[in-house]
Amino acid sequence: DAKTTQPPSMDCAEGRAANLPCNHSTISGNEYVYWYRQIHSQGPQYIIHGLKNNETNEMASLIITEDRKSSTLILPHATLRDTAVYYCIVMGGGSNYKLTFGKGTLLTVNP
Amino acid sequence: DSGVTQTPKHLITATGQRVTLRCSPRSGDLSVYWYQQSLDQGLQFLIQYYNGEERAKGNILERFSAQQFPDLHSELNLSSLELGDSALYFCASSRMGGDNEQFFGPGTRLTVL
Repeated sequence: DAKTTQPPSMDCAEGRAANLPCNHSTISGNEYVYWYRQIHSQGPQYIIHGLKNNETNEMASLIITEDRKSSTLILPHATLRDTAVYYCIVMGGGSNYKLTFGKGTLLTVNP
Repeated sequence: DSGVTQTPKHLITATGQRVTLRCSPRSGDLSVYWYQQSLDQGLQFLIQYYNGEERAKGNILERFSAQQFPDLHSELNLSSLELGDSALYFCASSRMGGDNEQFFGPGTRLTVL
Protein backbone atom coordinates (compact mmCIF):
# COMPACT_ATOMS: atom_id res chain seq x y z
CA ASP A 1 0.00 0.00 0.00
CA ALA A 2 1.13 3.53 -0.71
CA LYS A 3 2.20 5.50 2.32
CA THR A 4 0.45 8.73 3.26
CA THR A 5 1.71 11.83 5.05
CA GLN A 6 -0.60 14.14 6.97
CA PRO A 7 0.05 17.03 9.36
CA PRO A 8 -0.42 15.86 12.96
CA SER A 9 -2.84 18.64 13.87
CA MET A 10 -4.82 21.56 12.46
CA ASP A 11 -7.17 24.17 13.82
CA CYS A 12 -10.21 25.66 12.15
CA ALA A 13 -12.77 28.26 13.17
CA GLU A 14 -16.37 27.17 13.36
CA GLY A 15 -18.26 27.98 10.17
CA ARG A 16 -15.11 28.22 8.07
CA ALA A 17 -13.89 25.67 5.56
CA ALA A 18 -11.43 23.09 6.83
CA ASN A 19 -8.86 21.97 4.27
CA LEU A 20 -6.97 18.83 5.26
CA PRO A 21 -3.99 17.90 3.07
CA CYS A 22 -2.55 14.47 2.38
CA ASN A 23 0.53 13.44 0.43
CA HIS A 24 0.60 10.03 -1.24
CA SER A 25 3.42 10.32 -3.74
CA THR A 26 3.84 6.54 -4.22
CA ILE A 27 0.20 5.87 -5.11
CA SER A 28 -0.25 3.45 -7.97
CA GLY A 29 -2.70 3.77 -10.83
CA ASN A 30 -5.38 1.46 -9.44
CA GLU A 31 -5.30 2.67 -5.84
CA TYR A 32 -8.06 4.82 -4.38
CA VAL A 33 -7.77 7.63 -1.83
CA TYR A 34 -10.12 7.14 1.12
CA TRP A 35 -10.87 9.49 3.99
CA TYR A 36 -12.20 8.36 7.34
CA ARG A 37 -12.54 10.18 10.63
CA GLN A 38 -12.69 9.06 14.23
CA ILE A 39 -14.43 11.09 16.89
CA HIS A 40 -12.91 10.31 20.27
CA SER A 41 -12.88 6.51 20.69
CA GLN A 42 -15.93 6.01 18.48
CA GLY A 43 -15.72 3.72 15.47
CA PRO A 44 -14.12 5.34 12.42
CA GLN A 45 -16.58 6.89 10.01
CA TYR A 46 -16.27 6.78 6.24
CA ILE A 47 -16.27 10.25 4.65
CA ILE A 48 -15.44 10.01 0.96
CA HIS A 49 -13.17 8.33 -1.56
CA GLY A 50 -11.93 8.89 -5.10
CA LEU A 51 -9.67 7.55 -7.81
CA LYS A 52 -8.65 10.56 -9.91
CA ASN A 53 -11.64 12.84 -10.31
CA ASN A 54 -12.77 15.27 -7.66
CA GLU A 55 -15.64 13.97 -5.58
CA THR A 56 -18.32 15.61 -3.46
CA ASN A 57 -20.94 14.22 -1.13
CA GLU A 58 -23.10 15.56 1.66
CA MET A 59 -20.20 15.52 4.10
CA ALA A 60 -17.20 16.78 2.18
CA SER A 61 -15.33 17.35 -1.06
CA LEU A 62 -12.20 15.52 -2.16
CA ILE A 63 -9.76 17.25 -4.46
CA ILE A 64 -7.10 15.00 -6.02
CA THR A 65 -4.21 16.59 -7.92
CA GLU A 66 -3.76 15.67 -11.56
CA ASP A 67 -0.62 13.63 -10.83
CA ARG A 68 -2.53 11.95 -7.94
CA LYS A 69 0.39 12.49 -5.57
CA SER A 70 -1.65 14.52 -3.12
CA SER A 71 -5.21 15.28 -2.16
CA THR A 72 -7.22 17.66 0.02
CA LEU A 73 -10.32 16.92 2.02
CA ILE A 74 -12.58 19.94 2.35
CA LEU A 75 -15.24 20.32 5.02
CA PRO A 76 -17.08 23.38 3.67
CA HIS A 77 -18.56 24.70 6.91
CA ALA A 78 -16.85 23.11 9.89
CA THR A 79 -18.83 22.67 13.11
CA LEU A 80 -17.70 21.74 16.61
CA ARG A 81 -18.90 18.19 15.93
CA ASP A 82 -16.30 17.89 13.16
CA THR A 83 -13.51 17.86 15.75
CA ALA A 84 -11.92 14.45 15.15
CA VAL A 85 -8.87 12.61 13.87
CA TYR A 86 -9.00 12.47 10.07
CA TYR A 87 -7.28 9.61 8.28
CA CYS A 88 -6.19 9.65 4.66
CA ILE A 89 -5.78 6.08 3.38
CA VAL A 90 -4.68 4.69 0.06
CA MET A 91 -6.30 1.38 -0.69
CA GLY A 92 -7.07 -1.01 -3.46
CA GLY A 93 -5.25 -2.58 -6.29
CA GLY A 94 -5.59 -6.30 -6.64
CA SER A 95 -7.18 -8.03 -3.69
CA ASN A 96 -5.74 -5.94 -0.90
CA TYR A 97 -8.64 -4.04 0.58
CA LYS A 98 -7.59 -3.66 4.18
CA LEU A 99 -7.51 -0.17 5.61
CA THR A 100 -4.07 0.83 6.85
CA PHE A 101 -4.50 3.70 9.29
CA GLY A 102 -1.63 6.08 9.95
CA LYS A 103 -1.61 8.67 12.71
CA GLY A 104 -3.99 11.01 10.89
CA THR A 105 -4.64 14.71 11.48
CA LEU A 106 -6.34 15.90 14.64
CA LEU A 107 -8.68 18.65 13.48
CA THR A 108 -9.87 20.93 16.24
CA VAL A 109 -12.78 23.19 15.37
CA ASN A 110 -12.85 26.22 17.65
CA PRO A 111 -15.91 28.35 18.47
CA ASP B 1 -25.54 4.75 13.77
CA SER B 2 -23.59 2.72 11.22
CA GLY B 3 -25.85 -0.33 11.42
CA VAL B 4 -22.99 -2.51 12.68
CA THR B 5 -23.48 -3.86 16.18
CA GLN B 6 -20.85 -5.18 18.55
CA THR B 7 -21.21 -6.93 21.87
CA PRO B 8 -20.23 -6.56 24.60
CA LYS B 9 -19.38 -2.86 24.86
CA HIS B 10 -16.96 -3.42 27.71
CA LEU B 11 -15.14 -6.51 28.88
CA ILE B 12 -12.85 -6.83 31.87
CA THR B 13 -10.97 -10.06 32.37
CA ALA B 14 -7.76 -11.48 33.77
CA THR B 15 -4.53 -12.56 32.12
CA GLY B 16 -4.62 -16.06 30.72
CA GLN B 17 -8.36 -16.01 30.09
CA ARG B 18 -10.26 -16.37 26.83
CA VAL B 19 -12.98 -14.05 25.51
CA THR B 20 -15.25 -13.87 22.49
CA LEU B 21 -16.26 -10.63 20.81
CA ARG B 22 -19.30 -10.60 18.57
CA CYS B 23 -20.16 -8.51 15.53
CA SER B 24 -23.30 -8.25 13.44
CA PRO B 25 -22.72 -6.55 10.09
CA ARG B 26 -25.11 -4.17 8.35
CA SER B 27 -27.98 -5.88 6.61
CA GLY B 28 -26.82 -7.09 3.21
CA ASP B 29 -23.11 -6.67 3.86
CA LEU B 30 -21.05 -9.75 3.04
CA SER B 31 -17.64 -8.67 4.33
CA VAL B 32 -16.58 -8.31 7.95
CA TYR B 33 -13.29 -6.82 9.11
CA TRP B 34 -11.73 -6.76 12.57
CA TYR B 35 -9.42 -3.99 13.78
CA GLN B 36 -7.54 -3.43 17.03
CA GLN B 37 -6.82 0.02 18.41
CA SER B 38 -4.34 0.41 21.23
CA LEU B 39 -2.61 3.51 22.51
CA ASP B 40 0.83 2.53 21.26
CA GLN B 41 -0.07 0.78 17.98
CA GLY B 42 -2.95 2.86 16.67
CA LEU B 43 -5.65 1.27 14.51
CA GLN B 44 -4.48 -2.04 13.06
CA PHE B 45 -6.22 -4.39 10.68
CA LEU B 46 -6.50 -7.94 12.02
CA ILE B 47 -8.53 -10.04 9.62
CA GLN B 48 -11.26 -9.97 6.97
CA TYR B 49 -13.99 -12.47 6.14
CA TYR B 50 -16.10 -12.44 3.00
CA ASN B 51 -19.26 -14.52 2.84
CA GLY B 52 -17.96 -16.98 5.40
CA GLU B 53 -14.44 -17.36 4.13
CA GLU B 54 -11.22 -15.75 5.28
CA ARG B 55 -10.17 -13.16 2.68
CA ALA B 56 -7.22 -11.28 4.16
CA LYS B 57 -5.04 -11.43 7.23
CA GLY B 58 -3.19 -8.62 8.93
CA ASN B 59 -1.31 -8.37 12.21
CA ILE B 60 -3.36 -11.01 13.98
CA LEU B 61 -1.64 -13.01 16.70
CA GLU B 62 -1.80 -16.81 16.70
CA ARG B 63 -3.66 -16.59 20.03
CA PHE B 64 -6.48 -14.81 18.18
CA SER B 65 -8.91 -16.40 15.77
CA ALA B 66 -12.08 -15.38 14.03
CA GLN B 67 -14.89 -16.83 12.00
CA GLN B 68 -17.91 -15.70 10.06
CA PHE B 69 -21.08 -17.73 10.37
CA PRO B 70 -23.72 -18.55 7.72
CA ASP B 71 -25.90 -15.69 8.97
CA LEU B 72 -22.84 -13.46 8.35
CA HIS B 73 -22.24 -12.45 11.94
CA SER B 74 -18.66 -12.80 13.07
CA GLU B 75 -16.82 -13.64 16.27
CA LEU B 76 -13.29 -12.78 17.30
CA ASN B 77 -11.81 -15.15 19.86
CA LEU B 78 -8.90 -13.98 21.99
CA SER B 79 -7.15 -16.56 24.16
CA SER B 80 -4.29 -16.68 26.68
CA LEU B 81 -4.87 -12.99 27.19
CA GLU B 82 -1.99 -10.71 28.11
CA LEU B 83 -1.97 -7.20 29.54
CA GLY B 84 -0.96 -5.89 26.13
CA ASP B 85 -4.16 -7.17 24.56
CA SER B 86 -6.08 -4.41 26.32
CA ALA B 87 -7.48 -2.32 23.49
CA LEU B 88 -10.55 -1.23 21.58
CA TYR B 89 -11.64 -3.86 19.07
CA PHE B 90 -13.66 -2.64 16.13
CA CYS B 91 -15.64 -4.59 13.64
CA ALA B 92 -16.48 -3.14 10.24
CA SER B 93 -18.59 -4.40 7.37
CA SER B 94 -18.89 -3.65 3.68
CA ARG B 95 -21.20 -4.68 0.88
CA MET B 96 -18.61 -6.68 -0.98
CA GLY B 97 -14.93 -7.40 -0.42
CA GLY B 98 -13.40 -4.82 -2.67
CA ASP B 99 -13.16 -1.08 -3.14
CA ASN B 100 -16.15 0.07 -1.13
CA GLU B 101 -16.61 1.91 2.09
CA GLN B 102 -16.40 0.09 5.38
CA PHE B 103 -18.88 0.86 8.14
CA PHE B 104 -17.54 0.54 11.66
CA GLY B 105 -19.29 -0.59 14.80
CA PRO B 106 -18.98 1.18 18.17
CA GLY B 107 -16.25 -1.17 19.35
CA THR B 108 -15.62 -3.43 22.33
CA ARG B 109 -13.27 -2.12 24.98
CA LEU B 110 -11.25 -4.98 26.41
CA THR B 111 -9.35 -4.53 29.65
CA VAL B 112 -7.02 -7.31 30.76
CA LEU B 113 -5.98 -7.09 34.43
